Amino acid sequence: GAVVSQHPSRVICKSGTSVKIECRSLDFQATTMFWYRQFPKQSLMLMATSNEGSKATYEQGVEKDKFLINHASLTLSTLTVTSAHPEDSSFYICSAISAGGGVQITQYFGPGTRLTVL
Amino acid sequence: AQKVTQAQTEISVVEKEDVTLDCVYETRDTTYYLFWYKQPPSGELVFLIRRNSFDEQNEISGRYSWNFQKSTSSFNFTITASQVVDSAVYFCALTNNFNKFYFGSGTKLNVKP
Repeated sequence: GAVVSQHPSRVICKSGTSVKIECRSLDFQATTMFWYRQFPKQSLMLMATSNEGSKATYEQGVEKDKFLINHASLTLSTLTVTSAHPEDSSFYICSAISAGGGVQITQYFGPGTRLTVL
Repeated sequence: AQKVTQAQTEISVVEKEDVTLDCVYETRDTTYYLFWYKQPPSGELVFLIRRNSFDEQNEISGRYSWNFQKSTSSFNFTITASQVVDSAVYFCALTNNFNKFYFGSGTKLNVKP
């Protein structure tokens, strides 16, 4: 099946610093990637939709200046949490839509990044 | 509006029992896609199945089976002869155009030895 990697898997940082999370589709090209946030024992909350070569579309209530998303290529999207604060601590998950090459369109998820802001 | 409901918050079974996870969806679109994902304690969501709205055939994959019924807007997931490794949170999801996915709240399955 399609593989999506995410790096780093875990990060601990001090309040006020910025953290960059990378999401890569390893064996397919992804025109669309999604960024989700998941709080403990809750479902996934969509933060933004990232399309290659264009600005990300943010969900209501998500600060675009705080959560910077860049989708520079068909295999890489990055999420930067700027000036992180303890309330930004969460599990961040990216996903990518695979399409083409005879493969059914499906959403595949990365392994997630657990962010802890001290 | 699109919506997915997983009414079962948590289910506990003993190993080898069969268990069914319910998923009810709402959509006004005639074309849509349904998914099931497994999220083990490690956190990574694992794709299990995708079903198109125009294909109501039930599917079986090993101990897993899915019952898609448009008449009741349900897409239920059954695990036969459950195993401890099946313990996870299972999410049902819906999309109509792959621009946005709607997830249920998840069902936590505990399989006890």
